[in-house]
Amino acid sequence: EDQVTQSPEALRLQEGESSSLNCSYTVSGLRGLFWYRQDPGKGPEFLFTLYSAGEEKEKERLKATLTKKESFLHITAPKPEDSATYLCAVQDQAGTALIFGKGTTLSVSS
Amino acid sequence: KAGVTQTPRYLIKTRGQQVTLSCSPISGHRSVSWYQQTPGQGLQFLFEYFSETQRNKGNFPGRFSGRQFSNSRSEMNVSTLELGDSALYLCASSAEGQEAFFGQGTRLTVV
Repeated sequence: EDQVTQSPEALRLQEGESSSLNCSYTVSGLRGLFWYRQDPGKGPEFLFTLYSAGEEKEKERLKATLTKKESFLHITAPKPEDSATYLCAVQDQAGTALIFGKGTTLSVSS
Repeated sequence: KAGVTQTPRYLIKTRGQQVTLSCSPISGHRSVSWYQQTPGQGLQFLFEYFSETQRNKGNFPGRFSGRQFSNSRSEMNVSTLELGDSALYLCASSAEGQEAFFGQGTRLTVV
């Protein structure tokens, strides 16, 4: 059964304090791993897709990496506006459904 | 380019009633998926439609159903509402094999 586990559940950072979020996954043939950001009361906003181990994608202060068993979302010098819940999801080769983790809620204070 | 549009944004219904939610995908996207989001279970896949055909279905009871029209717009229906159906219902659209883009969701409260 496909499964996604995100850690930590919650993370508090000071502005400028870099850190990483973890997404561990079990899937029968990875088609893609996706990162989304979700603000309270809104739908998830697409950030990155990673397809194969060793792949990296960057966008502003965010960098996503992928291995055969996990993905990391690195946040460099975060700002208060980076506060949100970050969701990781996988899609297997056979299906079209996204299997989501429970998310990491990030709070960045100034 | 307009994003995914879901209507209504908020709904309050009584147990036993039924409800229909609507989703207009991004222009050109033929795949529409529906998800239920709750604090306890997170985001869970309901079903996916492509070219008016249900292509995939999650592990939800038959009270949850959907359909897709020829213009790719989709609706989902929940019959005989239960308190546990209170959730944020999210619709996502995608081009074939590409990433999914989500709407703002419909917040359903069952009282």
